[in-house]
Amino acid sequence: QQPVQSPQAVILREGEDAVINCSSSKALYSVHWYRQKHGEAPVFLMILLKGGEQKGHEKISASFNEKKQQSSLYLTASQLSYSGTYFCGTEPQGGSEKLVFGKGTKLTVNP
Amino acid sequence: NAGVTQTPKFQVLKTGQSMTLQCAQDMNHEYMSWYRQDPGMGLRLIHYSVGAGITDQGEVPNGYNVSRSTTEDFPLRLLSAAPSQTSVYFCASKTGTGLYGYTFGSGTRLTVV
Repeated sequence: QQPVQSPQAVILREGEDAVINCSSSKALYSVHWYRQKHGEAPVFLMILLKGGEQKGHEKISASFNEKKQQSSLYLTASQLSYSGTYFCGTEPQGGSEKLVFGKGTKLTVNP
Repeated sequence: NAGVTQTPKFQVLKTGQSMTLQCAQDMNHEYMSWYRQDPGMGLRLIHYSVGAGITDQGEVPNGYNVSRSTTEDFPLRLLSAAPSQTSVYFCASKTGTGLYGYTFGSGTRLTVV
């Protein structure tokens, strides 16, 4: 069951902030965030585990609300290089390593 | 390290033909997965493996087979190609449980005519 991402698309000017949300109907063990530029493979940004541990890109932050099974990715002071499609992936509790992705959020950062 | 290597990069098949998409990683990663990406659908999990000899189905497994005889290789077989299997296919791998993300290959663009 795919997690639900919102918004589907967002357009920013350089320097503005954005928040991308991801929610699941299942109890989660982990949430992953990836960015994909056009014609390229997805690139890992961050992982958040149930219990509070997280690891990721130094300029990107995220949160994981375990009670609501929701995660948010915070992009602050956006740069042109932040443009791309952002995907969240969720792994259910039980540690199956079955990572299922949402449909993505397309972020465009303009000068 | 080459990372995750997928071959071929492009392929055109006729309906009913079979083929194998190759995926190899040189990072000694335990976990490997296959995804397909279609416009507006995100990345959908086809099959995944948590180690040599162990595979399981993902969200959209029909029409695809996998095997994992070694840690390094995780080939995806299309049994009888259909136009609905036209897609970009990504293989990904990661090490262990915990604070690790997946490394993706560069993808195979498959067209079934």
